[in-house]
Amino acid sequence: SAVISQKPSRDICQRGTSLTIQCQVDSQVTMMFWYRQQPGQSLTLIATANQGSEATYESGFVIDKFPISRPNLTFSTLTVSNMSPEDSSIYLCSVEDLTLADVEQFFGPGTRLTVL
Amino acid sequence: DQQVKQNSPSLSVQEGRISILNCDYTNSMFDYFLWYKKYPAEGPTFLISISSIKDKNEDGRFTVFLNKSAKHLSLHIVPSQPGDSAVYFCAASGSYSGGSNYKLTFGKGTLLTVNP
Repeated sequence: SAVISQKPSRDICQRGTSLTIQCQVDSQVTMMFWYRQQPGQSLTLIATANQGSEATYESGFVIDKFPISRPNLTFSTLTVSNMSPEDSSIYLCSVEDLTLADVEQFFGPGTRLTVL
Repeated sequence: DQQVKQNSPSLSVQEGRISILNCDYTNSMFDYFLWYKKYPAEGPTFLISISSIKDKNEDGRFTVFLNKSAKHLSLHIVPSQPGDSAVYFCAASGSYSGGSNYKLTFGKGTLLTVNP
């Protein structure tokens, strides 16, 4: 399976600022995903990032708030813009392993964000 | 509206005994189900999956059972070991109107504690 790293692993930010989270994969992957896990909640898909095209956002998430870049097949960034305390969550990127017969996604270690 | 539900937030078992984690879903279009394990400060790790064409899948100490008529699946761990202590997430995917094969819908997780 792919090895996925994320930076930063955690951060504490002030209200109104923005944070960019990086996701690096050790192999080329077509599809990368960004999830959010708010305290006590399930993992929720924010958007799907394909290289060379605009990210596809899930209901309730918009590009202005969560701009995503996907410059190549091994890297993606998610920016949390104009942060508020409600954005305090763990943000995870994942990739789909197309070498497997079925659909499995593999996750990075996550970025724990606290907004004051 | 939660489409994947894990109604037990926590479960405690003795080492060597069986652990049974349950998951219910409401969307009949889900056709692929996965279990993930998550340790603190790490991303979820894929554990085992099952397609809707099967009712059982086994991998070592882990077995997943699927009851489509009841829209219920369970993960059995036997024998349970202290290292199995983690949060277990149930996830589902499927082709349905407005959805996509790769979108995973997660439950909120069950914290399993295996006592020595």
